Amino acid sequence: KQEVTQIPAALSVPEGENLVLNCSFTDSAIYNLQWFRQDPGKGLTSLLLIQSSQREQTSGRLNASLDKSSGRSTLYIAASQPGDSATYLCAVEGGSRLTFGEGTQLTVNP
Amino acid sequence: NAGVMQNPRHLVRRRGQEARLRCSPMKGHSHVYWYRQLPEEGLKFMVYLQKENIIDESGMPKERFSAEFPKEGPSILRIQQVVRGDSAAYFCASSPGGQGRHEQYFGPGTRLTVT
Repeated sequence: KQEVTQIPAALSVPEGENLVLNCSFTDSAIYNLQWFRQDPGKGLTSLLLIQSSQREQTSGRLNASLDKSSGRSTLYIAASQPGDSATYLCAVEGGSRLTFGEGTQLTVNP
Repeated sequence: NAGVMQNPRHLVRRRGQEARLRCSPMKGHSHVYWYRQLPEEGLKFMVYLQKENIIDESGMPKERFSAEFPKEGPSILRIQQVVRGDSAAYFCASSPGGQGRHEQYFGPGTRLTVT
């Protein structure tokens, strides 16, 4: 059974700081890994999707890496802004479903 | 191209009533997934459907919950005789069919409150 863990559970940083969110998964037989953003009371916004054959993806200030063999992914956010405050979710696809981590709640202080 | 649409966005039901949640996938998408997010918990897979077929319902509670995706119209998640523990956010996602793996696109969710 796939299990996804995200560390830390919460993170508070000053504006402008670079930061890394971590995700680990127990079963390396995955099709892809996605990072999502969820604002309070809102839906999910897809940030980055990394196929299992890829090692990283970049979009603007975001960079996600994937090491399938070790079951790890990181989401790097450069020059953080208060608007980045949200919960960040990592999800892996195996079979017909996404398995989500519990999320990292990020607060960027002005 | 409109995204995944869910309605209602908020639903309040008394214990014992039925809740019907609707999901219209993105245009051209024939695969629908339902996920549930209980308070203070992560999202959990419930069911995966293609048009007129349930492909994987291993995440659905065995009783009171059912899902369908008819040939015409939206996918419906039905919860009969709701209890307080059913209060949660229910998210629908869709993806295109065909070969290969496809990204799932999420709707805004339906927040169910059982009083």
